[in-house]
Amino acid sequence: DQQVKQNSPSLSVQEGRISILNCDYTNSMFDYFLWYKKYPAEGPTFLISISSIKDKNEDGRFTVFLNKSAKHLSLHIVPSQPGDSAVYFCAASGGSGGSYIPTFGRGTSLIVHP
Amino acid sequence: DTGVSQNPRHKITKRGQNVTFRCDPISEHNRLYWYRQTLGQGPEFLTYFQNEAQLEKSRLLSDRFSAERPKGSFSTLEIQRTEQGDSAMYLCASSLVRGPSYEQYFGPGTRLTVT
Repeated sequence: DQQVKQNSPSLSVQEGRISILNCDYTNSMFDYFLWYKKYPAEGPTFLISISSIKDKNEDGRFTVFLNKSAKHLSLHIVPSQPGDSAVYFCAASGGSGGSYIPTFGRGTSLIVHP
Repeated sequence: DTGVSQNPRHKITKRGQNVTFRCDPISEHNRLYWYRQTLGQGPEFLTYFQNEAQLEKSRLLSDRFSAERPKGSFSTLEIQRTEQGDSAMYLCASSLVRGPSYEQYFGPGTRLTVT
């Protein structure tokens, strides 16, 4: 049973437009959420995170929104650039014994067309 | 320090052979994690260490999998009697634990192919 779901395997957007990547989770114990970006032949790279005490966190062109009641988070990239083309993983963790081991979704492949 | 390194980057082995992968974390990080990633999936947690102590190993896929972190520095992941289903990318990550807010830094991975 997938506790972190990224239901869109791929997303294609035009350069300069907004990219919105979605993530749903089922475990109500999750209280910390992360987005990672992965280029081919590289490991995932941390992008942005949000704690459950917030509903928005912004870092430059990247903003993560958290809707706890809906168990949903989204990553907005504005404006999108061709270099943003990568696989984006949503991850969630909870305070189970303090380990905070993240559970990852399957990823969404973003393609930004020039 | 340029980040987490993993060796080898690629490993091809025959079924039944043992393989060992190495991970060198970022030097000041105290936690080290191993993940497996198969095609179309996100990283799947296997085990982690805090300094020398292996704090979680119940998620290792079978008793053929084992990991060590002697002296709390580099770590090795060994797979004994490899099977074709072990073919995957094996990722290592490290982090500096500062309460609940932490990010993991991943290495480039070791791609294992079992023939």
